[in-house]
Amino acid sequence: GESVGLHLPTLSVQEGDNSIINCAYSNSASDYFIWYKQESGKGPQFIIDIRSNMDKRQGQRVTVLLNKTVKHLSLQIAATQPGDSAVYFCAENRPNDYKLSFGAGTTVTVRA
Amino acid sequence: DTAVSQTPKYLVTQMGNDKSIKCEQNLGHDTMYWYKQDSKKFLKIMFSYNNKELIINETVPNRFSPKSPDKAHLNLHINSLELGDSAVYFCASSTTSGGPNTGELFFGEGSRLTVL
Repeated sequence: GESVGLHLPTLSVQEGDNSIINCAYSNSASDYFIWYKQESGKGPQFIIDIRSNMDKRQGQRVTVLLNKTVKHLSLQIAATQPGDSAVYFCAENRPNDYKLSFGAGTTVTVRA
Repeated sequence: DTAVSQTPKYLVTQMGNDKSIKCEQNLGHDTMYWYKQDSKKFLKIMFSYNNKELIINETVPNRFSPKSPDKAHLNLHINSLELGDSAVYFCASSTTSGGPNTGELFFGEGSRLTVL
C-alpha cells in the first residue's frame, strides 16, 4: 500500500492499493476526532470518528488510528477505489466545545 | 430531501456590494455553523448558533453578520464585499449536548462566492 509518514497535501494511489492519510492535531485536550471526505463541488461528509479512550476504530474499508502520545491521527483506506478520490480532512474537538477545528486537507487521487 | 441546504450555490458580485447566503436544515438539530473554505481548501469556523443564540464568533470582520430566525435557519449577510471574501462558505449543523463532541457535523453543499 501507499502511505505518508508526515502530512502531505497530496497523495496519489494506485487503484486497489491501500492508502494511509496522516494528520497531526494540535490540542492535547482534544478528546474527539473525525475524518471527513470532501468530493469536488460538495460539502465535507463524515467518514469515521474516534474518541480519545480508543486507539483504533474500524469502519467499512476504513480504519482510524489514534496516537495520543504524539498527537497523531491516521486514516487507512483499504483497496482504494476511484470513488475515493477526494480531499480528506481530520478534525478535532475539545470537551464541551462547539468548535470543530479542521486540519489541512489531503487530496487523494486514485490512478486507474 | 437535502438535510442541510444552502442558497445560492454560486454568487458572483462586485466589490462593495452587500449579499446574503441562506441556510436551512431539516435534521432537527439545535446547533448551526458557518465555515469558510479558502482557495487552499482550509476550513475555518466563523460562527455558531445554538437555539438561535450566538455561541461562537471567531475573529471575523463585522461586515459579516449571521442571523438565526429560528433553530432551523442560519443566514449569513455580508456588507461591503471585498476581494478577499471570495471563498466557499459552508453551512453545517449538529446535535447539542456538548456540541459536536457528541456527533458529527452535517454540511451543506457550499456557496461559492466570487467578488470581482
